[in-house]
Amino acid sequence: DAKTTQPPSMDCAEGRAANLPCNHSTISGNEYVYWYRQIHSQGPQYIIHGLKNNETNEMASLIITEDRKSSTLILPHATLRDTAVYYCIVRVAESNTGKLIFGQGTTLQVKP
Amino acid sequence: KAGVTQTPRYLIKTRGQQVTLSCSPISGHRSVSWYQQTPGQGLQFLFEYFSETQRNKGNFPGRFSGRQFSNSRSEMNVSTLELGDSALYLCASSFQGGNEQYFGPGTRLTVT
Repeated sequence: DAKTTQPPSMDCAEGRAANLPCNHSTISGNEYVYWYRQIHSQGPQYIIHGLKNNETNEMASLIITEDRKSSTLILPHATLRDTAVYYCIVRVAESNTGKLIFGQGTTLQVKP
Repeated sequence: KAGVTQTPRYLIKTRGQQVTLSCSPISGHRSVSWYQQTPGQGLQFLFEYFSETQRNKGNFPGRFSGRQFSNSRSEMNVSTLELGDSALYLCASSFQGGNEQYFGPGTRLTVT
């Protein structure tokens, strides 16, 4: 699986959009970008994933650049409950494995 | 439907003892993966079980083992506990492994 690079920390004002970047310059053609988050002392939570088109669900939007070397997770209206560590993971979605390789992630602090 | 459950939630053991942790996946999920999370090493993959067979294994010593039962419930065992085994142990389930995973709340193990 390709390696990802994320900033260690970010702040965001409550009610504003939080934009979390991720670099994955060595991504392969069959690898998807996944995002998980972990709220303090809880298990990680799946947020969204995509291959090359932008994706949106009830939690967030995922914007993947055309060359697929980077992506941005967008939380449109951040709340205090969105304070968490956000992990960007690149993997083959249909692979025969449940193994996820977590990096250090980005600690997002949403401030009132 | 019910989420992933892990028991016990907290555990205190002494060096040299062994411990068994349990994970019940979401109904219908056949893949169960285990992770160890420590402040120093972050989230690390231990192993994955699918249809009662270990399908993937991380880079952990043989003291760490697991199994999966016919109902997909899984247990992991750590023998001859060391202080460094103190961690949050998380399990995650998915339908087949390659798609999104759902994590349990974890078992907090403290070794004294």
